[in-house]
Amino acid sequence: DADVTQTPRNRITKTGKRIMLECSQTKGHDRMYWYRQDPGLGLRLIYYSFDVKDINKGEISDGYSVSRQAQAKFSLSLESAIPNQTALYFCATSDTGGGRGNKQFFGPGTRLTVL
Amino acid sequence: GENVEQHPSTLSVQEGDSAVIKCTYSDSASNYFPWYKQELGKRPQLIIDIRSNVGEKKDQRIAVTLNKTAKHFSLHITETQPEDSAVYFCAAILAGAGTALIFGKGTTLSVSS
Repeated sequence: DADVTQTPRNRITKTGKRIMLECSQTKGHDRMYWYRQDPGLGLRLIYYSFDVKDINKGEISDGYSVSRQAQAKFSLSLESAIPNQTALYFCATSDTGGGRGNKQFFGPGTRLTVL
Repeated sequence: GENVEQHPSTLSVQEGDSAVIKCTYSDSASNYFPWYKQELGKRPQLIIDIRSNVGEKKDQRIAVTLNKTAKHFSLHITETQPEDSAVYFCAAILAGAGTALIFGKGTTLSVSS
């Protein structure tokens, strides 16, 4: 089945380290998103991309960067990780805009701990 | 900026009762309102959505209603079952961001048998 995958699923790192979270999808969707989830705060949008050449900041982009290497791949980087970036990170995808484009499908998540 | 408020943050019901979760949004231009269910340790899953040209939508035991004038929408679950226990999130289109969503903070629903 077409799906959204994330690697790694769990990661423990130290303050100041650079880390990359990867997202791949076989759904053939154009649009990809990165969210972080913190207890009691819901899902907050970090970055989103509508195609390979289109990258946009979300609600909480400070301290993060992204790369859309191909239609199917969207990576999130923390250049210098800090403890308050400890969270559960989700990638999501959706089809091109219009009626189909709104439905977002989530990956399994990456649990990141910054010590 | 765009904001989505969700209430209550926790909800406990007896099996068979109904559950209602309410959300309000700030951007009157929003035209798409999905609801996601997240079971413990799992990814969020879309359970139902509604567009601004529709006032109500049903799918078996779940329904969503939308009041565009008041800028609020609600999730209704009837005949609740223990497997309905999860965190539920509402969302709305983020202003000026195409299909990107802004989420409410979630409601933890507990259904006891």
